[in-house]
Amino acid sequence: DQQVKQNSPSLSVQEGRISILNCDYTNSMFDYFLWYKKYPAEGPTFLISISSIKDKNEDGRFTVFLNKSAKHLSLHIVPSQPGDSAVYFCAARGAQKLVFGQGTRLTINP
Amino acid sequence: NAGVTQTPKFRVLKTGQSMTLLCAQDMNHEYMYWYRQDPGMGLRLIHYSVGEGTTAKGEVPDGYNVSRLKKQNFLLGLESAAPSQTSVYFCASSKIAGGTDTQYFGPGTRLTVL
Repeated sequence: DQQVKQNSPSLSVQEGRISILNCDYTNSMFDYFLWYKKYPAEGPTFLISISSIKDKNEDGRFTVFLNKSAKHLSLHIVPSQPGDSAVYFCAARGAQKLVFGQGTRLTINP
Repeated sequence: NAGVTQTPKFRVLKTGQSMTLLCAQDMNHEYMYWYRQDPGMGLRLIHYSVGEGTTAKGEVPDGYNVSRLKKQNFLLGLESAAPSQTSVYFCASSKIAGGTDTQYFGPGTRLTVL
């Protein structure tokens, strides 16, 4: 039973445009949500997070939106840059542990 | 600070062999975690530790054992490796459990079981 799902395995976006990565969850007890970024042959690195009591958090080019009624969160990257090409994982906290989605591979095209 | 380091980076085992993966962190973090990453599956928690001398099972603990004898080290053991344990293994640590304090990951160990 996949509690956190990223339904798009891959996404291709032109440089300078907006990238939107999506994540759905099923457990309404999750209280914190995070996005991690992963380059090949490296470990994931923290990107941005949001508490369940908020609906938006912004950090520079990165914004995370949370829609609790739909159990959906999204990551917006604008403008997209070549260095943003990576695999992005969303994660949700429950019972002091993180549950990760399958990941979305983002490719930024010049 | 080296952060989180993992040893070895790569390993090939034959079915039935045993091995230990070592994770070390120099951030004085209380919590440590072992994950495995498989294609299309994301990161799945194997075991975790909330402090020195304590361990707990995660989502996929079968076939693995762990030990946290020192606060800075978290060992993952495979007693009798199976091809299904071919994966990339990541160790992570955090000051507190998830949430506002993020998990810091090591670079990973790529394990192949033949």
